[in-house]
Amino acid sequence: KAGVTQTPRYLIKTRGQQVTLSCSPISGHRSVSWYQQTPGQGLQFLFEYFSETQRNKGNFPGRFSGRQFSNSRSEMNVSTLELGDSALYLCASALGGGNTDTQYFGPGTRLTVL
Amino acid sequence: LAKTTQPISMDSYEGQEVNITCSHNNIATNDYITWYQQFPSQGPRFIIQGYKTKVTNEVASLFIPADRKSSTLSLPRVSLSDTAVYYCLVERRGSGNTGKLIFGQGTTLQVKP
Repeated sequence: KAGVTQTPRYLIKTRGQQVTLSCSPISGHRSVSWYQQTPGQGLQFLFEYFSETQRNKGNFPGRFSGRQFSNSRSEMNVSTLELGDSALYLCASALGGGNTDTQYFGPGTRLTVL
Repeated sequence: LAKTTQPISMDSYEGQEVNITCSHNNIATNDYITWYQQFPSQGPRFIIQGYKTKVTNEVASLFIPADRKSSTLSLPRVSLSDTAVYYCLVERRGSGNTGKLIFGQGTTLQVKP
């Protein structure tokens, strides 16, 4: 079974631009969570989607948003990019029955904001 | 959720057994202990999960004492490829806090030849 895939793997943007990242979960998984990883803050939870609905949200500003499609694929959008948004963005998929499912992570998208 | 504390770094040599201990003094009845491994510029990889006593899989063993205030991840006969960051997490079941894993600083394991 194919793992979680994320595209693109690397991205360079400039301040003020916006960016969209994509995540394809493992087949059959309906939950997709997004995380930001930086050297200073570590791994931080952004939000989780299940059945096209945001089910949980972390403490990030409204510039960070996401959505999920009917095939469970998810996108994350960051608007008005700031230098501090440079990070590894990870998505994880799970079966989605509840908060007990093992999360399987993708390889991440490395975003650099100049 | 229970806060976890684990050593920032550990060194070992190839072929040795490595034990990484995590403390979670405020663990609750509904909490499970999960360990993830992460290599640089990759996503974390699930290693093992347990509730109490001992759990073993093809990769590692997890020992949890009766009071569950700590847990120990045991990696048998490590190799250079086991050099990574290891995260101990406490996951609460039934709280409705879906999809959210709380990662601490992790333990950077360096395996030397």
